[in-house]
Amino acid sequence: ETGVTQSPTHLIKTRGQQVTLRCSSQSGHNTVSWYQQALGQGPQFIFQYYREEENGRGNFPPRFSGLQFPNYSSELNVNALELDDSALYLCASSSGRESSYNSPLHFGNGTRLTVT
Amino acid sequence: AQTVTQSQPEMSVQEAETVTLSCTYDTSESDYYLFWYKQPPSRQMILVIRQEAYKQQNATENRFSVNFQKAAKSFSLKISDSQLGDAAMYFCAYRSEDYAGTASKLTFGTGTRLQVTL
Repeated sequence: ETGVTQSPTHLIKTRGQQVTLRCSSQSGHNTVSWYQQALGQGPQFIFQYYREEENGRGNFPPRFSGLQFPNYSSELNVNALELDDSALYLCASSSGRESSYNSPLHFGNGTRLTVT
Repeated sequence: AQTVTQSQPEMSVQEAETVTLSCTYDTSESDYYLFWYKQPPSRQMILVIRQEAYKQQNATENRFSVNFQKAAKSFSLKISDSQLGDAAMYFCAYRSEDYAGTASKLTFGTGTRLQVTL
């Protein structure tokens, strides 16, 4: 069973640039969610994708967008980067539209984004 | 909106001893799920234990157990026979019983860093 993989592991960008982060979900999982974890904080929910559509979003501006592909892999895109976007970005996958008790989230190792 | 509070930024325990990490939460919902996740330096969030709110029995997974007090909105994690590999950040998390589309949304606390000493 292949786990959740994220790329790249580290990334440095300049304020105002755009960035794309990638995630391959665990085998058999069709739901992907993204989290932002600022330094010293717990992860915060950005959004969730199920069957290539966004079906849940946290308190993040529209410059945070995503995609899910037919193979259930996903991208997180952030436009007009700001210094406060510096964080660890975690991808998590699960099985089914409802992430049930018996299908908990499986997380990747994250992408560390630094905006200078 | 739900909130999760972890009031212990850091805890320390000696190897083979027992430690309890605290978590409180605020919600108006009656059905929900609670989780403890571990985040080692590898950064991956690893599920430690989970609890359904409608179950009165406290969950147990090997050396890990919880003390779930629904009325007090408290969900503490007890680690018995602590091992060096238990050293990590521990996050308490809440999930609604929500089938409207945000079922993957977890609300996390700010974490407790656990050190395990010899």
